[in-house]
Amino acid sequence: QVQLQESGPGPVKPSETLSLTCTVSGGSISSNYWSWIRQPPGKGLEWIGYIFYSGSTDYNPSLKSRVTMLVDTSKNQFSLRLSSVTAADTAVYYCARVNDSGNYIDCWGQGTLVAVSS
Amino acid sequence: DIGMTQSPDSLAVSLGERATINCKSSQSVLYSSNNKNYLAWYQQRPGQAPKLLVYWASTRESGVPDRFSGSGSGTDFTLTISSLQAEDVAVYYCQQYYSTPFTFGPGTKVDIK
Repeated sequence: QVQLQESGPGPVKPSETLSLTCTVSGGSISSNYWSWIRQPPGKGLEWIGYIFYSGSTDYNPSLKSRVTMLVDTSKNQFSLRLSSVTAADTAVYYCARVNDSGNYIDCWGQGTLVAVSS
Repeated sequence: DIGMTQSPDSLAVSLGERATINCKSSQSVLYSSNNKNYLAWYQQRPGQAPKLLVYWASTRESGVPDRFSGSGSGTDFTLTISSLQAEDVAVYYCQQYYSTPFTFGPGTKVDIK
């Protein structure tokens, strides 16, 4: 049973870069696409983008200029970097697995709240 | 981007009664080459991550109770809970995965009446 766990350094100041890592356990990262999705407090879900284990990516155009996703197959991890953050980026960030037969999300991490505040 | 809407925003249903949630996409998510609708439903209980319920618009994920069913095609979809249980209190989201950026509906909150 694949499990995903987000980790990160905690609160971020405005204009700085948000960095999160997702560790995949119970399965190999070297298959499937892997995704990041976020949810501002009390609001709905926003797809940030996904990355294949080979490193190819697809980002939401609304965030594309600020987003970088990377994968580290040796550690079974993938990561998210979001630059120039503002309070609008405060959200619970989920890492997730994209099903290999269709691009729906079939496994989610528990999520981590990232607050952007000075 | 494909826009997703859901109705109602919220509903309250008595235990054991039927709950129906509607989802509409701004363009068809039916892929003609394989006749599949690229539409999923997720359940998000309070304080938890979303959980996949249904994919390909009507295929129930393994382990999901059969009181949950998805239907529809093209641009109009429905999630039905045939007999509401207390553990079904949650927000339900539809999502299209036909084209990127993948987009979610705004959610429908289901409560017990």
